[in-house]
Amino acid sequence: NAGVMQNPRHLVRRRGQEARLRCSPMKGHSHVYWYRQLPEEGLKFMVYLQKENIIDESGMPKERFSAEFPKEGPSILRIQQVVRGDSAAYFCASSPQRGNNSPLHFGNGTRLTVT
Amino acid sequence: GESVGLHLPTLSVQEGDNSIINCAYSNSASDYFIWYKQESGKGPQFIIDIRSNMDKRQGQRVTVLLNKTVKHLSLQIAATQPGDSAVYFCLSWEVNKLTFGGGTRVLVKP
Repeated sequence: NAGVMQNPRHLVRRRGQEARLRCSPMKGHSHVYWYRQLPEEGLKFMVYLQKENIIDESGMPKERFSAEFPKEGPSILRIQQVVRGDSAAYFCASSPQRGNNSPLHFGNGTRLTVT
Repeated sequence: GESVGLHLPTLSVQEGDNSIINCAYSNSASDYFIWYKQESGKGPQFIIDIRSNMDKRQGQRVTVLLNKTVKHLSLQIAATQPGDSAVYFCLSWEVNKLTFGGGTRVLVKP
C-alpha cells in the first residue's frame, strides 16, 4: 500500500516562474492537506481540500498561491511568479476522513529552491 | 517586519539512555494529540497519539504523558538508539487542521 506520493522531490525555479507541486494521497484517502516548512521550523498549515472542494485555506498567502484537488488525479499546489521567499519544503498529507481524531499521513515533501 | 527563523531546542542523549521530550499546548479545548518524528530530508512520521480522556499511553519503546491541568505533553523514548536522532513535534487538532507545536531536535551520542 503506497504512502503519500509527492513529486517532484526537488524543484528549482527562477524568480518569476511558476511552480507546480503534485500530491497523490494514500489509496482511499479523499482529504488532502498542504504544509510549508522553512529550515529549522515546524510545519505551517496552508490549505485543506477534499475532492473538488477547498475546505480551509486560512494558511494560504492571498496572492500567487492556489491549490486544487480534482475528482481525478493528484492534488496540485501552484505558486505563480515565485520569489526567493517561497523557497521551502512543501509537504502534503492525507487522511481517509474528516475529523480531529486520527493522524495524518505525510509524504516526503517537495523542496522548492528559487534562484 | 522581517521574520526570523527559529532554532529548535536540542536534546543530546547518550545511546542507551532514556529521552524525555516536552511540549506545551495553549488551547484547553484540544482533545487529541499526536507526536511525529521527522528525519532529515523526510516528511513527518507518526509515532504515537493520545486522547484527552487518557493521561498515559504506551507504544513500542515510547510513552506519551498528558497533563491537562498544566497543558503539557511529554514523549519518553526508552533505550534511545541512533535511529532515534530526528526532530520531534507534538501536534493537536484545531478545527480543520493539525497544528504543529514546538519541535525538539534529538541527537543521540554513541
